[in-house]
Amino acid sequence: DIVMTQTPLSLSVTPGQPASISCKSSQSLLHSDGKTYLYWYLQKPGQSPQLLIYEVSNRFSGVPDRFSGSGSGTDFTLKISRVEAEDVGVYYCMQSIQLPPLTFGGGTKVEIK
Amino acid sequence: EVQLVQSGAEVKKPGATVKISCKVSGYTFTDYYMHWVQQAPGKGLEWMGLVDPEDGETIYAEKFQGRVTITADTSTDTAYMELSSLRSEDTAVYYCATIQSWGQGTLVTVSS
Repeated sequence: DIVMTQTPLSLSVTPGQPASISCKSSQSLLHSDGKTYLYWYLQKPGQSPQLLIYEVSNRFSGVPDRFSGSGSGTDFTLKISRVEAEDVGVYYCMQSIQLPPLTFGGGTKVEIK
Repeated sequence: EVQLVQSGAEVKKPGATVKISCKVSGYTFTDYYMHWVQQAPGKGLEWMGLVDPEDGETIYAEKFQGRVTITADTSTDTAYMELSSLRSEDTAVYYCATIQSWGQGTLVTVSS
């Protein structure tokens, strides 16, 4: 199984300040088709997860441009350039290059100071 | 607009079976795998398995193999997840999801 390790576990951010979350995979997520199958989701309190970023760095439809993803191979980062109150929740990275099983990181809880 | 609408909350006794539905709209059902994900109270996301609605092929996580059955009905654009031999540890919210979109979740409570 591919293990996804997220850090930090939690983050307290002042509105308007940047935030960064790391996700490391135990194996490369680069497929022979040239795509890297790494996704980022946000689960707001009481809601279902919502897709933010697909294939490392592509913002999903409707996602604000303050969210950006980067990385390659086994090391990935989600950045929020200026955190807003609506960004609170738990962020998860996920890999789909190898299944079963599809695996998620443990989550990073973001709260506002 | 893509929508995945799941059936309502369930309360089951240990040993019972639960079957949850997920009706999709706004996209071609057979274009995307349908995944099912478990989230225990206060915990993270755990993948249970998927179905390819195009041909009904399934892949299950080892943890749930033998207890979970995922199916897809293309006549109604609905996916189903059945979990048997329920135990207290199966108390959780269950989500259907494509990679892009998730259902609202179904709470299953297992209690005697």
